[in-house]
Amino acid sequence: SQTIHQWPATLVQPVGSPLSLECTVEGTSNPNLYWYRQAAGRGLQLLFYSVGIGQISSEVPQNLSASRPQDRQFILSSKKLLLSDSGFYLCAWRREETQYFGPGTRLLVL
Amino acid sequence: DAKTTQPTSMDCAEGRAANLPCNHSTISGNEYVYWYRQIHSQGPQYIIHGLKNNETNEMASLIITEDRKSSTLILPHATLRDTAVYYCIVRVAYSGAGSYQLTFGKGTKLSVIP
Repeated sequence: SQTIHQWPATLVQPVGSPLSLECTVEGTSNPNLYWYRQAAGRGLQLLFYSVGIGQISSEVPQNLSASRPQDRQFILSSKKLLLSDSGFYLCAWRREETQYFGPGTRLLVL
Repeated sequence: DAKTTQPTSMDCAEGRAANLPCNHSTISGNEYVYWYRQIHSQGPQYIIHGLKNNETNEMASLIITEDRKSSTLILPHATLRDTAVYYCIVRVAYSGAGSYQLTFGKGTKLSVIP
């Protein structure tokens, strides 16, 4: 069966510090991968998606970036965090018409 | 993608069936109905999806009206662990483009009461 992991589970970072969130998928190959952000009390915002190694598409221009160094690894990064980057970050993978989400990383920027 | 309307909140007694309605009167013929739920502080969990026919899996049943303008998610025997926000989403099938965003509305907050 397929599983999706995210870490860390929670993170508190100062403004201006760098960020690296990791997502890995097990039990499948060449998955489409997605990064979403969920702000408090709001819906999901698609940030990036990837259809393969090294292939990243951005949905929203911002100070975040994503990379896919391996088939089942998706990384979300920032060089300098902003207060507005606080939120719940979700990684997802797609099988046919369905997306499956990871447990999420809660980021608080102070 | 078609817009959905769900009640803001619902209560259900533990052990009873929870019936969560969703209206999607502008749904197109090629759009699926998806249900996800999100337990507090966790990632959304896929429950079930369907196009025209009723569907059932180990988690729930999905009843879609004949005109497809509304649907009901049924949790046959609700437990306390089913307390969550339930999202009804309508979306076309994946077409091969990488961007396949699911748009989550505000959902229905289901509270299962002992």
